[in-house]
Amino acid sequence: DAGVIQSPRHEVTEMGQEVTLRCKPISGHDYLFWYRQTMMRGLELLIYFNNNVPIDDSGMPEDRFSAKMPNASFSTLKIQPSEPRDSAVYFCASSQGGLETQYFGPGTRLLVL
Amino acid sequence: KNEVEQSPQNLTAQEGEFITINCSYSVGISALHWLQQHPGGGIVSLFMLSSGKKKHGRLIATINIQEKHSSLHITASHPRDSAVYICAVRMIRNGNQFYFGTGTSLTVIP
Repeated sequence: DAGVIQSPRHEVTEMGQEVTLRCKPISGHDYLFWYRQTMMRGLELLIYFNNNVPIDDSGMPEDRFSAKMPNASFSTLKIQPSEPRDSAVYFCASSQGGLETQYFGPGTRLLVL
Repeated sequence: KNEVEQSPQNLTAQEGEFITINCSYSVGISALHWLQQHPGGGIVSLFMLSSGKKKHGRLIATINIQEKHSSLHITASHPRDSAVYICAVRMIRNGNQFYFGTGTSLTVIP
């Protein structure tokens, strides 16, 4: 299996622009997680899905952030409009079962200027 | 106060040393994860524990539910073990939310 795939790997954008991060989970995994990592706050869970349905989005920082999972093999995390404080590494992870080992993607490094 | 406390924050060891990283948490959990983040940024899930002990190669993870404490041990440490190790718990309170420790930065010197 190719593992969790994220794209793009790096993104540089200007403040105010829309940013879309993409994730393809491991086939057969029914849970998908979006995380954000910064130096200041460490690793944070933003939202997670079970069978394509958002279960808990309490970690989403504000209305500028939205996440979707239209099918079992694809999810997006969108930031609109982006701000410099959104600069971070965004990880996607998937698991088979909510309490099982999570497999992380390589992350997307986002820089908002 | 953090829900999850890790110690030490930084650790430098000589190759071959036995290493222990600790994680304490404050309330009931449904699961505890140990994650490894390499200098390049990639994250690997090492263990998921809800009780007892797990072993994988030179890595051993233990958890004591009553004491709300987990340890990650590395035997015969090697420079390639240099990474940040992160403890993450899913707490029963707050609907199984994830809480993360701040990480332990390990450097193993040849």
